[in-house]
Amino acid sequence: TQLLEQSPQFLSIQEGENLTVYCNSSSVFSSLQWYRQEPGEGPVLLVTVVTGGEVKKLKRLTFQFGDARKDSSLHITAAQPGDTGLYLCAGDNNDMRFGAGTRLTVKP
Amino acid sequence: GAVVSQHPSRVICKSGTSVKIECRSLDFQATTMFWYRQFPKQSLMLMATSNEGSKATYEQGVEKDKFLINHASLTLSTLTVTSAHPEDSSFYICSASPWGVYGYTFGSGTRLTVV
Repeated sequence: TQLLEQSPQFLSIQEGENLTVYCNSSSVFSSLQWYRQEPGEGPVLLVTVVTGGEVKKLKRLTFQFGDARKDSSLHITAAQPGDTGLYLCAGDNNDMRFGAGTRLTVKP
Repeated sequence: GAVVSQHPSRVICKSGTSVKIECRSLDFQATTMFWYRQFPKQSLMLMATSNEGSKATYEQGVEKDKFLINHASLTLSTLTVTSAHPEDSSFYICSASPWGVYGYTFGSGTRLTVV
């Protein structure tokens, strides 16, 4: 079973649309990270959130950490085909465990 | 900076043989490294935590005698898949953290195919 519940698992949208991916857990994490993975490669770190309620922005990506440090969201504004990939959240409590991932496809 | 190198990137082996995968931190020291397995279209599943100078900690359901982990130095951890079977075919990825709780960097993965 996944410690982190990530939703949706699959998302197919048109270029220019907005989307939000959710990562939820019953556990409290010292930090939570979001990664993006391309086929055949290892995940690449996008952001780390540490403080409850924290919001971080990375160009068109906005990441939020829940006040209780149990959940997080990733919002992409005006998605582009280059955003296509597998997005993974991971919670850190001296080891790192991943959510099931969200496979995003952005159609031109 | 903060590069983790994993080798080999692809390996094909016969059933019953053993395969060793290396994970190196190139520009930082890692007392802890993590090994994951990823099946097609699935997420990463933590297999074990590799600790420099001590025994690895295995997740429930992962056979420690089948997946041998050695973390002999602060920059190298190895995973040996012993007596490989076709069901061991998977994508194996290691990671380490140069930033403490602020994130991890991953190797590029090893695609293992057992025939």
